[in-house]
Amino acid sequence: GAVVSQHPSWVICKSGTSVKIECRSLDFQATTMFWYRQFPKQSLMLMATSNEGSKATYEQGVEKDKFLINHASLTLSTLTVTSAHPEDSSFYICSARLGDYGYTFGSGTRLTVV
Amino acid sequence: GQNIDQPTEMTATEGAIVQINCTYQTSGFNGLFWYQQHAGEAPTFLSYNVLDGLEEKGRFSSFLSRSKGYSYLLLKELQMKDSASYLCAVMDSNYQLIWGAGTKLIIKP
Repeated sequence: GAVVSQHPSWVICKSGTSVKIECRSLDFQATTMFWYRQFPKQSLMLMATSNEGSKATYEQGVEKDKFLINHASLTLSTLTVTSAHPEDSSFYICSARLGDYGYTFGSGTRLTVV
Repeated sequence: GQNIDQPTEMTATEGAIVQINCTYQTSGFNGLFWYQQHAGEAPTFLSYNVLDGLEEKGRFSSFLSRSKGYSYLLLKELQMKDSASYLCAVMDSNYQLIWGAGTKLIIKP
């Protein structure tokens, strides 16, 4: 089946540094990738939608200059958390849409900013 | 606004049956999803309903009533591994997924 490989699974970084999270579609082409953030005991919150070859669409309240999304190819989308702060600590998940109604998720990245 | 409601937490006994309800109010409707999410992991797909009625898939069944804005996920013969959060999500008219906060299901022996 369609698989999205997400790396890293977990990362600890110092406050003020940047972290890049990658999502690769392994056996299909993902023209659209969704990036979610999930805080403990809360639901998935859509941060942005990225389309291959064009600028990402950010949800209201998400800083585009802080969460840089690049979708340069049909198999790779990246999220870079710039100048990370402890409040950015969260679980970040990417998701690709399959056909009309299917979605597949990456395995998630647990980010801890210290 | 768009809203998905589901209970925060439920407890059930191993071997029993549990029903997790979900009500929704969204701008348009293009289907309802149920996902299972174990702690620290990404969600995994359980079911998709776009027409009214019951869809059965092994121990799990999902029901939809579009007129009532209501769905439920039915889990039978509960196993300890079913302890997880169950997320209800609705695809709106823009084909965006609107997520519920999830129901944490605790299975006791």
